[in-house]
Amino acid sequence: NAGVTQTPKFQVLKTGQSMTLQCAQDMNHEYMSWYRQDPGMGLRLIHYSVGAGITDQGEVPNGYNVSRSTTEDFPLRLLSAAPSQTSVYFCASSRGTSASYEQYFGPGTRLTVT
Amino acid sequence: DQQVKQNSPSLSVQEGRISILNCDYTNSMFDYFLWYKKYPAEGPTFLISISSIKDKNEDGRFTVFLNKSAKHLSLHIVPSQPGDSAVYFCAAGYNFNKFYFGSGTKLNVKP
Repeated sequence: NAGVTQTPKFQVLKTGQSMTLQCAQDMNHEYMSWYRQDPGMGLRLIHYSVGAGITDQGEVPNGYNVSRSTTEDFPLRLLSAAPSQTSVYFCASSRGTSASYEQYFGPGTRLTVT
Repeated sequence: DQQVKQNSPSLSVQEGRISILNCDYTNSMFDYFLWYKKYPAEGPTFLISISSIKDKNEDGRFTVFLNKSAKHLSLHIVPSQPGDSAVYFCAAGYNFNKFYFGSGTKLNVKP
């Protein structure tokens, strides 16, 4: 049981480039989310999904796209990278019930945009 | 505007003593609250949670207290151990998919 996996671990992009951050979970969780962590800001929600085919925006969605074609995978796309998107990105999943709403996080992707 | 605030960026405690980490929130609709622990270069890991129907939840050395009228959450660690040294985040939400996180408190437990 690998839990939540993220690839790549590190990435350097030039301004204007696009890329996809991969996230997968093997716990059959319906809920998946993407966060970014910046110094002094905690984690901020980018996009989330409550099941395959259903996604919605979080606090800071601009410049990012998501899709959820399977329960297991939830990729995050940067359309045209900007230096303001330099951050550490975390993917998380949860069962999303009143008895079990804690999120399981991946190890993160550290992204630098130059 | 941050809906969840951790006003202490750091806390230093002697091993064996109590650590108290605090968290304030502004949205009275929040009814699920969690604490996560994070080590450098790793993702956050779940520690303990509480829903708004309770005011206290215990799990071993960790206890979370919720004061709804004050919109205040706290995490007590007793006794503190050096392995507890990490960054602690509180999170709050009113459904199961949209949680707001505080900025974190770095706890240092001195041997």
